[in-house]
Amino acid sequence: NAGVTQTPKFQVLKTGQSMTLQCAQDMNHNSMYWYRQDPGMGLRLIYYSASEGTTDKGEVPNGYNVSRLNKREFSLRLESAAPSQTSVYFCASSVRFDQPQHFGDGTRLSIL
Amino acid sequence: GNSVTQMEGPVTLSEEAFLTINCTYTATGYPSLFWYVQYPGEGLQLLLKATKADDKGSNKGFEATYRKETTSFHLEKGSVQVSDSAVYFCALSDNSGGSNYKLTFGKGTLLTVNP
Repeated sequence: NAGVTQTPKFQVLKTGQSMTLQCAQDMNHNSMYWYRQDPGMGLRLIYYSASEGTTDKGEVPNGYNVSRLNKREFSLRLESAAPSQTSVYFCASSVRFDQPQHFGDGTRLSIL
Repeated sequence: GNSVTQMEGPVTLSEEAFLTINCTYTATGYPSLFWYVQYPGEGLQLLLKATKADDKGSNKGFEATYRKETTSFHLEKGSVQVSDSAVYFCALSDNSGGSNYKLTFGKGTLLTVNP
């Protein structure tokens, strides 16, 4: 069972470069989410998609864009990467808000 | 707004010791409460959940009881194992106002269990 699949697993970028992080789920979930995890900060929500065709900002959306390509896929784009965006990024999905979220294994992104 | 406060770590225990990780919350509605676990190099996995007051969630020997009067959801295990070493996150899901994204996490507690 694949669950939530994130690609790539690791990436190093230079300041100013752009990049798209990919996420796909095979559980037929309606809602999908992007988080970043930083030491001592827990997980912070960047963007979410309540259902196919909708996206909304979370706590820390600045510097990011998202696309809900279809029900399965939800991508996160950094248009002009900055060192402050060095983090571990997690994608998650859930059937609906009061159901548990299922997480991918993360993308470890370093920006030099 | 909603918030989750959990015990700061790191917590270091010997195998077979008793574990408690405290978690308290503030919420405007009637939240569901969760504990997630993150093993090194992996994503978060749901450990247990409780959806209403006085519910007890349990899994793999871990337990937590939803206490509305103290707004708490403390995680306990009677006898920890080395394999329980991980980061534990308390979280709440806000059911009010149709806010269907609102999973709020605590900052996480690192548990290390020594043999």
